[in-house]
Amino acid sequence: ETGVTQSPTHLIKTRGQQVTLRCSSQSGHNTVSWYQQALGQGPQFIFQYYREEENGRGNFPPRFSGLQFPNYSSELNVNALELDDSALYLCASSPSTGSNEQFFGPGTRLTVL
Amino acid sequence: RKEVEQDPGPFNVPEGATVAFNCTYSNSASQSFFWYRQDCRKEPKLLMSVYSSGNEDGRFTAQLNRASQYISLLIRDSKLSDSATYLCAVNSLDTGRRALTFGSGTRLQVQP
Repeated sequence: ETGVTQSPTHLIKTRGQQVTLRCSSQSGHNTVSWYQQALGQGPQFIFQYYREEENGRGNFPPRFSGLQFPNYSSELNVNALELDDSALYLCASSPSTGSNEQFFGPGTRLTVL
Repeated sequence: RKEVEQDPGPFNVPEGATVAFNCTYSNSASQSFFWYRQDCRKEPKLLMSVYSSGNEDGRFTAQLNRASQYISLLIRDSKLSDSATYLCAVNSLDTGRRALTFGSGTRLQVQP
């Protein structure tokens, strides 16, 4: 196990609703990245947080937003859910220095109806 | 053209076989390379980082070819438990952040 935890495991929402996903990073890791993985695709980078600041963003609209807390845990918020937002949302943590290796949590499977 | 490309497979091989996957990347500023393994409906798990000189971990060997911009993964003596999707991932220095760009994965099915 990587020590990265995510909640909830599964979630069902309807179009237009809002959702908050949570992630606790591995001990000693202060960088958290969020990815969206659609069926049959590789994970797509949403954004990254380092020391509570957004540290880069992928090609996702502003309705995808996030936070990082002083304990390095993180939230991903998605507003105005669309059907295409149905995916596995993965959180990955990495150490502050050196390696770019990232370690993933088990993910949250979001279904938008 | 996708930034990171992989043959989706599936690669169907018998137990004990040797199988190799390639992954090409388009950004010449890429600096870090990884192979992840992903089981069905699970998260990607880091299999190995790929170093410039190539590296080996048991039955697994990873190689990097910067000139041709590809990385490879060789699996020797395949086991049934190696059946999974193998994702390559690349980090590019010019993005200014440690985000990974993934390929779509190559599916391996090892058969008895």
